[in-house]
Formats: sequence, structure tokens, C-alpha cells
Amino acid sequence: SQQGEEDPQALSIQEGENATMNCSYKTSINNLQWYRQNSGRGLVHLILIRSNEREKHSGRLRVTLDTSKKSSSLLITASRAADTASYFCATGSSGGSNYKLTFGKGTLLTVNP
Amino acid sequence: ETGVTQSPTHLIKTRGQQVTLRCSSQSGHNTVSWYQQALGQGPQFIFQYYREEENGRGNFPPRFSGLQFPNYSSELNVNALELDDSALYLCASSLEGSTREAFFGQGTRLTVV
Repeated sequence: SQQGEEDPQALSIQEGENATMNCSYKTSINNLQWYRQNSGRGLVHLILIRSNEREKHSGRLRVTLDTSKKSSSLLITASRAADTASYFCATGSSGGSNYKLTFGKGTLLTVNP
Repeated sequence: ETGVTQSPTHLIKTRGQQVTLRCSSQSGHNTVSWYQQALGQGPQFIFQYYREEENGRGNFPPRFSGLQFPNYSSELNVNALELDDSALYLCASSLEGSTREAFFGQGTRLTVV
């Protein structure tokens, strides 16, 4: 079953604008990771944020984590056409099932030139 | 490029047949996980292998089986293929049987007819 829920399911913006995607999850986590997927191919790891972190930056990416609300957001600043892809959040659970990532259904981002 | 390679990239099989998918992990990674991604969905965890032993399994029937070799490469075997097994199969390598950064291959697109 899917743990995470990304919101929105689809997002269309103009090049240069910022894109914000949200993710909610249900159980306790060790970490939360964001991945990008182009055209149904492999997943590209973007960023990992640990459960004791609140915010993390990597280039044009900014991720926040609110464990009290069980939610995370991914902000892509100054978007480019090449950012067009599906974005997934994945949670690494704490406790006995800490070997697997649980993914949401993803947000399809379209950046129009 | 993640250094994780999967073969073949595409495969067409007939219902009832058996299939073997292969994955070479990134150098230095001793853990391989397999995920199934149906069209329009997020990846679903099948199982993980850590140091040649199964380290966790998702909600998949026993006809999904796996193997990890001493060089940490891995195979996913699916017996008695069903139409619903049509999906993108993703392999991810990571360290120490955990959910630290997982690096994915490009996937094998399996079509069952």
C-alpha cells in the first residue's frame, strides 16, 4: 500500500516560476527522500532529509519536513523545462520495517518554455 | 548515471511463463532492493537482499523470488506470469540494509500478453 500522498497530482507552470509539491505520510519515519522520474524510466535521487531535520537545501531544491504534521514539501526554484518529470516522495520507516522505502503516487510537473 | 545497471531494458512474455530480471549494484553497495511500478503509480517494494540474504519482503506472492550473489548483483524471478505483472521493475542499491540514499537503475519494462 502507498504511505505517502503527493499533492498536487499534476502541476503546470512557466519556466522561471517556482514549483512546490507536498507530501503527507502516515507512520513514523527515519527519513524522507525525494526522487525524480523522467518518462517512466529510473528514479533519480534528489535529496534526503532525516527525521530530526526541518529543512535542507541542494542547489535549486529546498525540502522541509514537519514530523508533527507528518508532511514534507519540495520547492524547486527558477524552474526549467528540463525539470519536467514526475516527483515522488518516499519514506524510510523506523522500527522493524526500516529496510524499505514507501512511495506516494507522485506529482507530475510540467514546466512550459 | 547511478552505476546501477539493469537488464534487459524491455521484455515481452506470455502469461504463465517465467522471467528473470538482473541488476548490478553500485560499487561498494551491499544491498539491493526491488520495486514494481505499475503505470501511473508509485513504486511498490517487493523485497530486499542484504549480504545475500532476504532482508524484508513486501506484499507480493511467493512466485516473486530473488537472489543476491557474492558480488552483490541480484536477480528477480517471477513464475507463472499474470497480466497484472506488466510493470516497470526497478532495482535500487544502497548500504547496510537500510533506507539511506537508494540509487535506482533505469528499470526493466515487462509486458505480459
